[in-house]
Amino acid sequence: NAGVTQTPKFQVLKTGQSMTLQCAQDMNHEYMSWYRQDPGMGLRLIHYSVGAGITDQGEVPNGYNVSRSTTEDFPLRLLSAAPSQTSVYFCASGKTDILAKNIQYFGAGTRLSVL
Amino acid sequence: AQTVTQSQPEMSVQEAETVTLSCTYDTSENNYYLFWYKQPPSRQMILVIRQEAYKQQNATENRFSVNFQKAAKSFSLKISDSQLGDTAMYFCAFMKPWGGKLIFGQGTELSVKP
Repeated sequence: NAGVTQTPKFQVLKTGQSMTLQCAQDMNHEYMSWYRQDPGMGLRLIHYSVGAGITDQGEVPNGYNVSRSTTEDFPLRLLSAAPSQTSVYFCASGKTDILAKNIQYFGAGTRLSVL
Repeated sequence: AQTVTQSQPEMSVQEAETVTLSCTYDTSENNYYLFWYKQPPSRQMILVIRQEAYKQQNATENRFSVNFQKAAKSFSLKISDSQLGDTAMYFCAFMKPWGGKLIFGQGTELSVKP
């Protein structure tokens, strides 16, 4: 019963490096999203997707790219990491129908440090 | 745009006592969902309780209950018989129906003391 799986759990990057945070879910959820968590600011939405091939920006999208080629996977790409992207990143997924009660399920998070 | 505000950055409570965490929100929507999530030191986001705005009855889940005041746009969480395992960061969150996008408050760090 995997749920939402995020990899890696921890990552240290140097400024200017690129990397991809992976997110996969095995619950056949249409909706997937990425949040970042910073002290005193709660979680803020970066990008989201309502299905394969469909993505859109959230509140803080700058510096991040996403794509959704399959229902199961929703990777988050940092093209040129900056110290301001040091944060904890969460992936979430859910079904957007009334029977699913609009509940979003979260991965365990990735702690990213950009030096 | 919707906003969620948690005005208590930190709170503490003695074990077995009751504590209430506050949350207010701003929206022009009439139908929406409100959530409380718990984040223990493990960092995992755990759903505590959920409230549908069109339901007047306050949601309850065992020791957790909410006081939902739609007109006042207030959604507080009451934890009864507090346990050491309740020590965590608690987030209030808002979502429009079928939107999937959660808007979070800043969080309240709760410490339960023995």
